[in-house]
Amino acid sequence: GAVVSQHPSWVICKSGTSVKIECRSLDFQATTMFWYRQFPKQSLMLMATSNEGSKATYEQGVEKDKFLINHASLTLSTLTVTSAHPEDSSFYICSAEPQPSTDTQYFGPGTRLTVL
Amino acid sequence: GESVGLHLPTLSVQEGDNSIINCAYSNSASDYFIWYKQESGKGPQFIIDIRSNMDKRQGQRVTVLLNKTVKHLSLQIAATQPGDSAVYFCAEMVAAGNKLTFGGGTRVLVKP
Repeated sequence: GAVVSQHPSWVICKSGTSVKIECRSLDFQATTMFWYRQFPKQSLMLMATSNEGSKATYEQGVEKDKFLINHASLTLSTLTVTSAHPEDSSFYICSAEPQPSTDTQYFGPGTRLTVL
Repeated sequence: GESVGLHLPTLSVQEGDNSIINCAYSNSASDYFIWYKQESGKGPQFIIDIRSNMDKRQGQRVTVLLNKTVKHLSLQIAATQPGDSAVYFCAEMVAAGNKLTFGGGTRVLVKP
C-alpha cells in the first residue's frame, strides 16, 4: 500500500516550452502533496506544498508563476514548469501525506526533466 | 541552481561490516526525524523514523540514535549488504507542521 506514482518518469523538452508532471496517490487519498526539486549530487529541496482545493504554498525563492501547481483531487497533483529553460533541468519528486495526517510522506519515483 | 563539482560525503564499507551514517540537524524545534535511502534515479525510500521523546529506535538491521543535546542523528546499518549501496538522507520536521527539511546526504558504497 501507500504507492505514489509520477508521470512522466522522464521528459526532454525545448527551451521555452511548458511541461506538466503528474503526481498520483494510487491507493490512498492525500489532502496534502509536496513538490521537491533535486539537482545532481544534492539534497531534496522543498518547492511547494499543495493542498487539495486550495492554492499551493510556495517556499521562499520559488516562482509561483513559473511552477504552477494544481491539486484538483485527493489523488492527483500536477506541477507545470512554464517556459522551461536549461537551468530548470532537474529531478522533480513529489510526496503525498495520507488522510488523516500522520506526518508520514510517501514519495514518488521522480521525474527527470531535461531542457535543451 | 546546480553546483558544479559538488560531492556527497562517501562512506565505503566492506560487505558484512556495520555502517554508521551521521547527520547534524538544524532546528532545535524539530521533533520528528526520518532516514531515507535513495538509489540512483529513484525517489527516497523510508527506512526508519524517530520522535524527539526517544533516543533510540531499532528496525530490521537498522538503528537510529537521536541526541537532542547536540542536534545529532545517526543511522546504523548492521551487516551491510551490496543492496545497501545508495545515498542516505536524514530529514527533520517541526511539530504542528508537515514540512520536511532534508540534510545533505551521504553516499554509502559497499565493497564485496
